[in-house]
Amino acid sequence: EAQVTQNPRYLITVTGKKLTVTCSQNMNHEYMSWYRQDPGLGLRQIYYSMNVEVTDKGDVPEGYKVSRKEKRNFPLILESPSPNQTSLYFCASSRKGQGHNEQFFGPGTRLTVL
Amino acid sequence: QQQVKQSPQSLIVQKGGISIINCAYENTAFDYFPWYQQFPGKGPALLIAIRPDVSEKKEGRFTISFNKSAKQFSLHIMDSQPGDSATYFCAASALSSASKIIFGSGTRLSIRP
Repeated sequence: EAQVTQNPRYLITVTGKKLTVTCSQNMNHEYMSWYRQDPGLGLRQIYYSMNVEVTDKGDVPEGYKVSRKEKRNFPLILESPSPNQTSLYFCASSRKGQGHNEQFFGPGTRLTVL
Repeated sequence: QQQVKQSPQSLIVQKGGISIINCAYENTAFDYFPWYQQFPGKGPALLIAIRPDVSEKKEGRFTISFNKSAKQFSLHIMDSQPGDSATYFCAASALSSASKIIFGSGTRLSIRP
């Protein structure tokens, strides 16, 4: 089944404790992105990647890191989480091609930083 | 200029009625306007999309109306059903940066039986 998976689905942590949220897709997509969803703000892009070893900042990159060492994986790293990073996070992937392509989203990771 | 403004924030419609969600944009470089549907506990999924060379696109009970001169587009759900209850996001992107999509703030739609 074609899908984007994220782990963990739920995470409660404390301020300053480094964490990683994993994302993996099995559709051989070139593009991958991370979003955060907050009430009233919609989905805001954190980072995106157009291919292996190619990443760029989105609209709200502060406090986050990413890496793209393999085509299928795109982990999101919070080196020193803070309470304002409490949010619902989504990973998404899409195919590179002519024109615009559908973004496929993972099931989300709900993060709480105390 | 990168914003996509969406309204209303929430909407309650009786079963069988028409649900209408509106979006507006400023960046004239945008040339792809998708709508995503999100059910509780799930990630968003593409519902329907339109390009600015047409004024309307219909798929079943879902229709996008597009007004290029006003830089506005809307989603109409005809004969709304309880199963349509979800959060809807409009979005926009430009071919020059196809990996970047700007989302609206979302509309929580509830269909009353």
